[in-house]
Amino acid sequence: DSGVTQTPKHLITATGQRVTLRCSPRSGDLSVYWYQQSLDQGLQFLIQYYNGEERAKGNILERFSAQQFPDLHSELNLSSLELGDSALYFCASSVAIAPDTQYFGPGTRLTVL
Amino acid sequence: DQQVKQNSPSLSVQEGRISILNCDYTNSMFDYFLWYKKYPAEGPTFLISISSIKDKNEDGRFTVFLNKSAKHLSLHIVPSQPGDSAVYFCAASGISSSNTGKLIFGQGTTLQVKP
Repeated sequence: DSGVTQTPKHLITATGQRVTLRCSPRSGDLSVYWYQQSLDQGLQFLIQYYNGEERAKGNILERFSAQQFPDLHSELNLSSLELGDSALYFCASSVAIAPDTQYFGPGTRLTVL
Repeated sequence: DQQVKQNSPSLSVQEGRISILNCDYTNSMFDYFLWYKKYPAEGPTFLISISSIKDKNEDGRFTVFLNKSAKHLSLHIVPSQPGDSAVYFCAASGISSSNTGKLIFGQGTTLQVKP
């Protein structure tokens, strides 16, 4: 158990819908990262927050947004969902910004039908 | 452009022998490297890391070697155990304005340890 929690574990929804994925970092960690793992791709960095502020952005679609709240938990919002958004979404956390070891949550499997 | 590459999709070794997993990178700004192990339907589990100021780091059965001139790192598992069977990901990070914090992952190598 890494100490990073993610909910829900599974999510099945339809195209065009909007979903919210939630992540709670390890106690004491200020940095939260979101990654996407599709079937045909490896783990791809989406976005990073540090102590409530956006720190770095990767190949995140405009339909996706995220935020980190004062209690340091983070939410990833995915809207206007498409079939290609079906993937595993992982949250990770670390103490510092970089470079630092990131600890991953169990992931949310999103299926868009 | 794939900045971190694991050229071997799979590796099979006998229990008790050494497993060597390889990783190459292209970005000379990377200065921190990590190995993760991943089982199906679970999140990646951190195994071991190495900073670019070192060329070797050891933790129990796991040793990571870094060759900066060749932009190559490897993970050695000795002795290999059946429970080590999983997908292993190499990841890199660097202190630069463009990639601060984020990890760039390789495609993974599936290790099978046969009893």
